[in-house]
Amino acid sequence: QSALTQPASVSGSPGQSITISCSGTSSDVGSYNVVSWYQQHPGKAPKLMIYEVSKRPSGVSNRFSGSKSGNTASLTISGLQAEDEADYYCSSYAGSNTLIFGGGTKLTVL
Amino acid sequence: QITLKESGPTLVKPTQTLTLTCTFSGFSLSSGVAVGWIRQPPGKALEWLALLYWDDDKRYSPSLKSRLTITKDTSKNQVVLTMTNMDPVDTATYYCAHRASSSWYFASWGQGTLVTVSS
Repeated sequence: QSALTQPASVSGSPGQSITISCSGTSSDVGSYNVVSWYQQHPGKAPKLMIYEVSKRPSGVSNRFSGSKSGNTASLTISGLQAEDEADYYCSSYAGSNTLIFGGGTKLTVL
Repeated sequence: QITLKESGPTLVKPTQTLTLTCTFSGFSLSSGVAVGWIRQPPGKALEWLALLYWDDDKRYSPSLKSRLTITKDTSKNQVVLTMTNMDPVDTATYYCAHRASSSWYFASWGQGTLVTVSS
């Protein structure tokens, strides 16, 4: 099992939209609608932002949305705000009761 | 309110066994619930380690399976992770997390505990 592939960094200005990709294979992202996204601020624990590809937990802003096409999942943040600056990780069920994470993406709000 | 807190040594020597305890509140290890362990080396990505189901079923990362054991003490609301033969590359922040549904995501996380492996 290899980690899911994410861009190392993305950036955007306040108010803009950005998309972070998460590329896997037909054995993980492509086979299961069990992709999640986590936000992690420096020194803090990860926070669940999206689960099961596109569902938002209670309390998470609707500026965050998720989607999937083939072996690639995406997280889109619209109306970018300074507080969105953080690291973002995707994860996917990989079969046989295992989970894999992406390498993480650092989001910078310019 | 669901809370989880990791505890254990902050420093272990190479070849030693690490034992970490996750003490939780706000839920019980009942049907459908699971508790997992995830780690994160400094400046690096998250890595899933293990998962313990309410019925004592256990799942491990294939790459670390031979070194990991996850157990529970239901009476104390605790889940324990042991990792044998520790190496400096195992230096990381170790998190426990709550999986509420049958799906593979963690809705609640502990604060994490940094474990350094050094002689």
